[in-house]
Amino acid sequence: DQQVKQNSPSLSVQEGRISILNCDYTNSMFDYFLWYKKYPAEGPTFLISISSIKDKNEDGRFTVFLNKSAKHLSLHIVPSQPGDSAVYFCAASASNYGQNFVFGPGTRLSVLP
Amino acid sequence: KAGVTQTPRYLIKTRGQQVTLSCSPISGHRSVSWYQQTPGQGLQFLFEYFSETQRNKGNFPGRFSGRQFSNSRSEMNVSTLELGDSALYLCASSLKTGMAGNTIYFGEGSWLTVV
Repeated sequence: DQQVKQNSPSLSVQEGRISILNCDYTNSMFDYFLWYKKYPAEGPTFLISISSIKDKNEDGRFTVFLNKSAKHLSLHIVPSQPGDSAVYFCAASASNYGQNFVFGPGTRLSVLP
Repeated sequence: KAGVTQTPRYLIKTRGQQVTLSCSPISGHRSVSWYQQTPGQGLQFLFEYFSETQRNKGNFPGRFSGRQFSNSRSEMNVSTLELGDSALYLCASSLKTGMAGNTIYFGEGSWLTVV
């Protein structure tokens, strides 16, 4: 049973436009969410996080939105750059789960020049 | 500030052998967790150590084990290797554990191939 889902395996966006990556979760105990970017043969790099007490968090070109009632979060990248081409993972955790982060399967983003 | 360091980066082992992977967390970080990444299963949580104690364990067989030393460095061991153990093993560290808002930072990973 997948607790964290990223239903789009891949996404292509034109350079300069907005990239929107989506993530859905099923476990209502999750209270902290993170996005990671991963290039081939490298470890995931932390991008941005959001706590369940917020509905939006911004960091430069990256914004994460959380809709708790829909158990849905999204990552917006504006403007998209070719260097953003990577696999993006959504991860979720619950305070009483320790460091047991549950990861989604990832979405491969391709930003076309 | 150095990131999470994992050694070795690449290794090839034979079925039935055992392997030990090492992880040095970010300086000051006391929690170390391990994840396995495979194409079919994605990133899966193995276990987490904090203050030399295992705090959480994922759904992996007992062949997968780990430990943490007093300097927070950690090792994971896989015994009686199977072909299906071929994967990227990722170590992640964080300042604390069991708290909301605790971000984990990954190392580059150790690529294990079992032949």
